Amino acid sequence: DAKTTQPPSMDCAEGRAANLPCNHSTISGNEYVYWYRQIHSQGPQYIIHGLKNNETNEMASLIITEDRKSSTLILPHATLRDTAVYYCIVRASNDYKLSFGAGTTVTVRA
Amino acid sequence: GAGVSQSPSNKVTEKGKDVELRCDPISGHTALYWYRQSLGQGLEFLIYFQGNSAPDKSGLPSDRFSAERTGGSVSTLTIQRTQQEDSAVYLCASTRRGAAQGDTQYFGPGTRLTVL
Repeated sequence: DAKTTQPPSMDCAEGRAANLPCNHSTISGNEYVYWYRQIHSQGPQYIIHGLKNNETNEMASLIITEDRKSSTLILPHATLRDTAVYYCIVRASNDYKLSFGAGTTVTVRA
Repeated sequence: GAGVSQSPSNKVTEKGKDVELRCDPISGHTALYWYRQSLGQGLEFLIYFQGNSAPDKSGLPSDRFSAERTGGSVSTLTIQRTQQEDSAVYLCASTRRGAAQGDTQYFGPGTRLTVL
């Protein structure tokens, strides 16, 4: 029951912006888009989330299309420490049983 | 401030032994969640605690699994008579308010359990 689709992997050059796409064409009006990442052997780390509007925090920016069927996570200046598996999920506010798909394995190269 | 902490970080045990895994949520967070993550299996919800309410145990895979949350803070996940299929990373998360509020879940580093 995959609610999101992400590319399995992508490479990024250190210091450049990394743009991670996510498709969620069946998203419901009450569902948020969340991004987590998981660095090897660590627990999932929350990055950002949004409903309709674009969001920015100290880690990343989230761009959500007007029809909400897709979004892009932007890491503005990727570093080697950003190498991780990035998970895009959609969830309603009262949906607390999180599940991750396969995510995108991002490798930042020097 | 301090995040969610879990102990031990790694646990190796023999089949049939009992294990206890501990989770210390973020200070002031009222809700606590346990998940497990197996290689190739993704994230699997186990149990959810909120205040004094009855926990949601719907994700516990068998009656060998149980969890407690004492004093509304620290939680212990116990696996009795461990089996090799219990080998996984056990993750704990917490939220400031109850699940119905839709708060962001913050995860701990996990406990890697290996059952020989």
